Parts: sequence; structure tokens; C-alpha cells
Amino acid sequence: DAKTTQPTSMDCAEGRAANLPCNHSTISGNEYVYWYRQIHSQGPQYIIHGLKNNETNEMASLIITEDRKSSTLILPHATLRDTAVYYCIVRTTDSWGKLQFGAGTQVVVTP
Amino acid sequence: DAGVTQSPTHLIKTRGQQVTLRCSPKSGHDTVSWYQQALGQGPQFIFQYYEEEERQRGNFPDRFSGHQFPNYSSELNVNALLLGDSALYLCASSPGPEYEQYFGPGTRLTVT
Repeated sequence: DAKTTQPTSMDCAEGRAANLPCNHSTISGNEYVYWYRQIHSQGPQYIIHGLKNNETNEMASLIITEDRKSSTLILPHATLRDTAVYYCIVRTTDSWGKLQFGAGTQVVVTP
Repeated sequence: DAGVTQSPTHLIKTRGQQVTLRCSPKSGHDTVSWYQQALGQGPQFIFQYYEEEERQRGNFPDRFSGHQFPNYSSELNVNALLLGDSALYLCASSPGPEYEQYFGPGTRLTVT
């Protein structure tokens, strides 16, 4: 399975955009990029996923580079409630059920 | 529309005992996956159930077993509990194995 690399931690000011990078240089053509977040002591929350094209939903935007070796999750207007661990996951279509979580990025949104 | 629910919320067991954790998937979801999350680590995939069968399994011993019922709810059983089994156990459901998974709040298991 492809692995991902994320920064250990990031700080973001409330109201500003938070840009969370993820490197997945060994991703294969049939592998999707998923983002989840986990607020302390809660279950992970699905945010967004994509294959090649950029995606946007009510929570965030996902920008995938043309070579698909990296991606960025954008939270357009961070709030204090966005403080969480954010996980970037590469999911293969050969192993649908399995989400492989790494250490993620601890994002702290400050007033 | 209720999300994924899990019971119990917390559980304390003694080493060597057996435990059963329960999960009700989100309405319309027929696939259930189970994860173990040790303190300070990301969740680790245990197994996935679809159509009442175990479809995929992670690197967990046979002490970990499961079941899915016709109403799509699921149970996770752990036998011969070890201290290292202390963790948050998460259930996730999806409307099919290939779709995004939605997680429940988890069951905190403490083995003493």
C-alpha cells in the first residue's frame, strides 16, 4: 500500500485558511486520497476524497497535484472547532475495506 | 437520521476474560468495519463485514472475531484479553465496501 507523509503539527489562526499538505509519492493509478479528522476522544470524521480532480464539499477542498504525488486539504475559514488530528490516507481499490491511518497532523486553531 | 452507534461506551475487564462490543450502522449502510486505536496512535484496521461475511482482515490474532447480523449490525468479540488490548474500539459503516466509512464514537476498553 502507498504510504503518506504529513507534518506532525500545524498552527492556524481562526478565520484564516488552513492548508494541510500530504505527500504520497508512491501512489498508484487506482488509489484514492482520503482525508479524515479526529477530534480528541471522538471517532474519526470523514472529510473528503478524490482520485485525480480537485474536489470541494461543504467542509473542505482537496487539491491533488497533476502527478498525484501530493495533495493539500484546505479548510477555507478555520474555526476553533477545527482543532483536531487530520489524517491523509491512500486507499486502494484492491483493498476497499482497509483504511490505513498514519500519525496524522495535529492542527491547532488559535483565536 | 442516527449515525453509527456503539455500545457500551466504556468497559473494564480483567485479563483473560472475554468481551463483546456492539455496533449499529448508519441507516442505509450494509458494511461494517472495526478498528482498534491505542492511546496516541492512529486507528488500526481489524476486519470488515459485508453480507454477513468477513471480507477483509488486518493483522490481528484469531482472538479477535466478529459477526454481522441480517440487519447489518455487528459484534466484535475478543477472547483471552491481554493488557495490550486496552484501547478505543471504533466501528465504521458504509453503504458498500467501496464507499467512504463513517465512524461511531467508539468503545473504550480497559483491561486490568
